[in-house]
Amino acid sequence: DAGVIQSPRHEVTEMGQEVTLRCKPISGHNSLFWYRQTMMRGLELLIYFNNNVPIDDSGMPEDRFSAKMPNASFSTLKIQPSEPRDSAVYFCASGARGAGTNEKLFFGSGTQLSVL
Amino acid sequence: DQQVKQNSPSLSVQEGRISILNCDYTNSMFDYFLWYKKYPAEGPTFLISISSIKDKNEDGRFTVFLNKSAKHLSLHIVPSQPGDSAVYFCAASAENRGNQFYFGTGTSLTVIP
Repeated sequence: DAGVIQSPRHEVTEMGQEVTLRCKPISGHNSLFWYRQTMMRGLELLIYFNNNVPIDDSGMPEDRFSAKMPNASFSTLKIQPSEPRDSAVYFCASGARGAGTNEKLFFGSGTQLSVL
Repeated sequence: DQQVKQNSPSLSVQEGRISILNCDYTNSMFDYFLWYKKYPAEGPTFLISISSIKDKNEDGRFTVFLNKSAKHLSLHIVPSQPGDSAVYFCAASAENRGNQFYFGTGTSLTVIP
């Protein structure tokens, strides 16, 4: 298995531009998480999906952020318009959730976003 | 509000000695805890976990201890090796919170050869 695949690895953009981050979870996993890593807050949960349905998006910082999961093998995180304070590493993670199971998350390599 | 806290941003240990990384949590409903290791430019990778029904779990050189009354867990690495140098994240989840994973801010471990 190729693991969780994120693209792009690096994104440099100018303030006000739209940014789209992509994630392909591990095949067979039914939960998907988007995290943002910052020095102050560590790994901060933005949103997570279970069976392609958004369960909790309370971590999404503003309306400028949106996430979709149109099918079990693809998710996007979009920032529009982007701002310099959005600069961070964004991670996607997937897991296999089932009744009575203790889930482990598998992370992608992350997208380093720089908004100038 | 940070529900999982790692109060030591960094730790340096001599090779061969014990590394102890600490983690505190505030939510008494957390019932499952994990440690992840992260190398630069890579995503975090799962290291070891513990359920709240246990107070210790061991896997090779890595042992996690859980003190529920103190809402505290720790990761022991014995003996420490230079390849253990990485950022370690503590995470917690609760079944009644939809199994969301809450992560700490991480501790950067440096093992000195």
